[in-house]
Amino acid sequence: KAGVTQTPRYLIKTRGQQVTLSCSPISGHRSVSWYQQTPGQGLQFLFEYFSETQRNKGNFPGRFSGRQFSNSRSEMNVSTLELGDSALYLCASSLDGPTFFGPGTRLTVT
Amino acid sequence: AQSVTQLGSHVSVSEGALVLLRCNYSSSVPPYLFWYVQYPNQGLQLLLKYTSAATLVKGINGFEAEFKKSETSFHLTKPSAHMSDAAEYFCAVSEDGATNKLIFGTGTLLAVQP
Repeated sequence: KAGVTQTPRYLIKTRGQQVTLSCSPISGHRSVSWYQQTPGQGLQFLFEYFSETQRNKGNFPGRFSGRQFSNSRSEMNVSTLELGDSALYLCASSLDGPTFFGPGTRLTVT
Repeated sequence: AQSVTQLGSHVSVSEGALVLLRCNYSSSVPPYLFWYVQYPNQGLQLLLKYTSAATLVKGINGFEAEFKKSETSFHLTKPSAHMSDAAEYFCAVSEDGATNKLIFGTGTLLAVQP
């Protein structure tokens, strides 16, 4: 069974731009969650989607948004990028139990 | 509010020695507790999880953790460290086993000396 896949793996953007990250969960998994990992703040929960509906949301500004499609694939969008948005963004999926993480997308904002 | 505290941001052990990584949690309801490991430039891999079935939880790669409610702890142990255990370890808590909102600790970087 294929694991959680994330594209792209690496991304460089300029301050003020917007970015979209993609996540394909493990087949059959309906829950997809997103996390931001930085050296300063550690791992922080962004949001979770289940059956195309946002089920949980972390404490991030409205510039961070997401969505989930009918095939459970999810996208995360960050608008008006700031230098502090540079991070590893991790996607995770779950069916009804443990959460499995993807390899992450490394976003660098210059 | 839930929280997780990992004591010791860096732990160093000799190969073959006992590994002990500490995790204390704060939760107003019976928690779901997890340990994840992260190797360089990779995502997180689940080592083990506690969901109230048994207080001693066995995970992959020889790791285990014991849930102690009286101490609000969920420490991770391995009897004999291997060089391949060198990685960063994260403890996480979830209030609700039906969702996947995990609150993570700050992580412990484990170094294994030959």
